[in-house]
Amino acid sequence: NAGVMQNPRHLVRRRGQEARLRCSPMKGHSHVYWYRQLPEEGLKFMVYLQKENIIDESGMPKERFSAEFPKEGPSILRIQQVVRGDSAAYFCASSPTMRDGIETQYFGPGTRLLVL
Amino acid sequence: RKEVEQDPGPFNVPEGATVAFNCTYSNSASQSFFWYRQDCRKEPKLLMSVYSSGNEDGRFTAQLNRASQYISLLIRDSKLSDSATYLCVVNFGNEKLTFGTGTRLTIIP
Repeated sequence: NAGVMQNPRHLVRRRGQEARLRCSPMKGHSHVYWYRQLPEEGLKFMVYLQKENIIDESGMPKERFSAEFPKEGPSILRIQQVVRGDSAAYFCASSPTMRDGIETQYFGPGTRLLVL
Repeated sequence: RKEVEQDPGPFNVPEGATVAFNCTYSNSASQSFFWYRQDCRKEPKLLMSVYSSGNEDGRFTAQLNRASQYISLLIRDSKLSDSATYLCVVNFGNEKLTFGTGTRLTIIP
């Protein structure tokens, strides 16, 4: 019973390159969330997706960042033209379909992005 | 004012002692509350949900005070393996989690 899977676990990019981070939710989970943790800071919400829909992207920077969760395949967080300030740990979480209340979110191991 | 505030610590506590953390949140309409733990360079892992009536899981007890808008976590008979950062987490009803910056705990042998 695999948990949330993320790859790559570590990613090194030079300034100006693109970073693609992948997240496969737990089996049976249809909700995906992305969070970013800057060094020595707490996790900050970025975006909430369901299959083929962005539900809430209020935490996404206005430029260079995009996310998708296609019908088939993992969710992708894409960062174009990376800058040093993008260096952080990016965590994906998933939860099952909401029923009566708010479901617990389970986190993947994260992708640590380092921009040189 | 931060939406979720915690004392960052560090708390250095001898093994076997009892330790308590508090957390305050700003939005009185908050719907659900959690404690997560995060080990160094790892993902957050759910420790326990926090209910209005208070709840206990082994050596861990969580309390919620809605009137004062604070949440607490009590760890009894602390073990070396309890060393971690403890994250207070609130869902304000919009399905995204808001995290405190965490309280760092080190259990000393």
